[in-house]
Amino acid sequence: GAVVSQHPSRVICKSGTSVKIECRSLDFQATTMFWYRQFPKQSLMLMATSNEGSKATYEQGVEKDKFLINHASLTLSTLTVTSAHPEDSSFYICSARTHLGGETQYFGPGTRLLVL
Amino acid sequence: AQSVSQHNHHVILSEAASLELGCNYSYGGTVNLFWYVQYPGQHLQLLLKYFSGDPLVKGIKGFEAEFIKSKFSFNLRKPSVQWSDTAEYFCAVILTGGGNKLTFGTGTQLKVEL
Repeated sequence: GAVVSQHPSRVICKSGTSVKIECRSLDFQATTMFWYRQFPKQSLMLMATSNEGSKATYEQGVEKDKFLINHASLTLSTLTVTSAHPEDSSFYICSARTHLGGETQYFGPGTRLLVL
Repeated sequence: AQSVSQHNHHVILSEAASLELGCNYSYGGTVNLFWYVQYPGQHLQLLLKYFSGDPLVKGIKGFEAEFIKSKFSFNLRKPSVQWSDTAEYFCAVILTGGGNKLTFGTGTQLKVEL
């Protein structure tokens, strides 16, 4: 099946710093990439949708200046959490969609962010 | 707005028991339906999906799901669970023509005891 990787898997940073998370589709080209946030014992909440070469579309309530998304190519998207604060601590998951097999989304392993 | 409901939040079964996890969605239009599984410490994996055709869908690891349009349901089933099926299961729906956003249910934590 299609593989999506994320890096890093875990990151601890100080409050006020910025953190970049990479998401790559390893064996397919992703028409669209998505970024989710998962709180403990809750479902995944969509943060934003991005298409290669265009600006990301953010969900209501998600600050686009805080969560910067760059979709540089059909296999790479990055999420930068700017000026991170402890309330940004969470599990961030990326997903990539391919037309192969009919618009199926494949998920990365997630990145655990802890802001001190 | 579309929503996905998974009524069973925690399920505990003994090995070899049969499993059925409920999933209902709120939208009456055309939908694509998915079940994902998240094993402990691992990422979400696709179990099965329904786009069209036979409403009984076979997935990996012996799982199947049945789409019942009149009931807005897509319940997941497995006739005989194994200890290794312990995981969290998420139902998800894409409303076709509605921005193609995947909406997740709240998840069901399944624990299979030996």
